[in-house]
Formats: sequence, structure tokens, C-alpha cells
Amino acid sequence: DAEITQSPRHKITETGRQVTLACHQTWNHNNMFWYRQDLGHGLRLIHYSYGVHDTNKGEVSDGYSVSRSNTEDLPLTLESAASSQTSVYFCASSGDWNTEAFFGQGTRLTVV
Amino acid sequence: AQSVTQLGSHVSVSEGALVLLRCNYSSSVPPYLFWYVQYPNQGLQLLLKYTSAATLVKGINGFEAEFKKSETSFHLTKPSAHMSDAAEYFCAVSDQTENAGNMLTFGGGTRLMVKP
Repeated sequence: DAEITQSPRHKITETGRQVTLACHQTWNHNNMFWYRQDLGHGLRLIHYSYGVHDTNKGEVSDGYSVSRSNTEDLPLTLESAASSQTSVYFCASSGDWNTEAFFGQGTRLTVV
Repeated sequence: AQSVTQLGSHVSVSEGALVLLRCNYSSSVPPYLFWYVQYPNQGLQLLLKYTSAATLVKGINGFEAEFKKSETSFHLTKPSAHMSDAAEYFCAVSDQTENAGNMLTFGGGTRLMVKP
């Protein structure tokens, strides 16, 4: 069965370190998204991609970057982790418009 | 710009009672609307979606939602709550444009608690 997986599921890192969260999907979807989930804010869009070599900034992109070198993967990098980036991160993918987005299980990141 | 407001961050109902979770949206173009459910320590799962066909949409687990353009609302209901419905529920909106790529804007979420 097709799926979308995130790794690691949990990560603790120190302030100032670079961190990369992995997202891999086997749906062959063109669209991929990264969201962060914080209490009271729902999910907010960090970055998204509509295809290979395409990346776009979302609502809360400062301090984050992504790259899309193939269809399956959209890694999210925190260039210099900050305590404000402690959150749960979700990756999602979707096919053509009017189709649902499928979400990964999430990565809980703690910056100390 | 789109936005979604979910009234009530926490809703508590008794088992067997009606579930009503409220969602209002704003969008400059005709929207697609979604309800997702999140169980503890899991990702989001689609409950139902409105994509400009029937205004009353039926989803999984007995949930349904009605799109009311005049009220800019998409409230989620279930006639009889079950203990297994306890979860966080998110309303989301996306543009009805092909190049929007299903980019979703989420509401703040509503935690549903079901009492025995």
C-alpha cells in the first residue's frame, strides 16, 4: 500500500544546531507540504512543493528550508534550531486538485 | 487570503448525544472544504470534503457536514456520539483553482471529549 512516512518520530536537539526532518511518500504525488502544529494554532504551512525542483514559502517559513530533488522526498531543514521551533511537524502529499491530502504520523521536535 | 475559524477549542458531549463542531471560513474564491480528524499521537485523517457538488456531505464514521454559502459555514455533525469519537477535529479550506495544489489553510482545531 502507498504511504507517507516521516522520520524521526521524535527528536531532541540543541539551540543553534542544524536539523533535517525526512518525509517520504510512495503515492507518486506531485504536491508535498510541511506543516507545524502548535496548541491553539492548528496546522500552519511552512513550505510546499508542486513538483521536482519546485519549492515555495508558506505562512511560517522563516528559519526553515526544503529541497525537492525527486518526487518521493521533501526533507525539511532547520538551519539553526531555536526554542520557538519546538513543535510537532507534519508532512503531507496530494495528487491533482480536488483530491485529499495524506498526512504522515508527525515528528515531535524539541529544541533545548 | 483564506482563513478558517473553529468556534470552541474544546467541546464535551455525553455518549449518544448530538455532536456539533462549528467551522466558518472566509475565501475570495469558491472554496473546497475539508474536515480532518486526529487521534492521539497520529497524523490527520480525512473525514469528509466539499468540492461544490452536493451541499450536504457524508463522511466516515457517521459524520456529515453541510456547506452553507450564505453563512460561510461548514459545521460538522454526528447524531449520536460514541466514545471512539474523542479526538481533535480540524476544518480546512483550499482554493478551487487548479494551481492551488490542494494547499490547505486550517482552523485552530476542536478537541471533542465524550463522557460515558
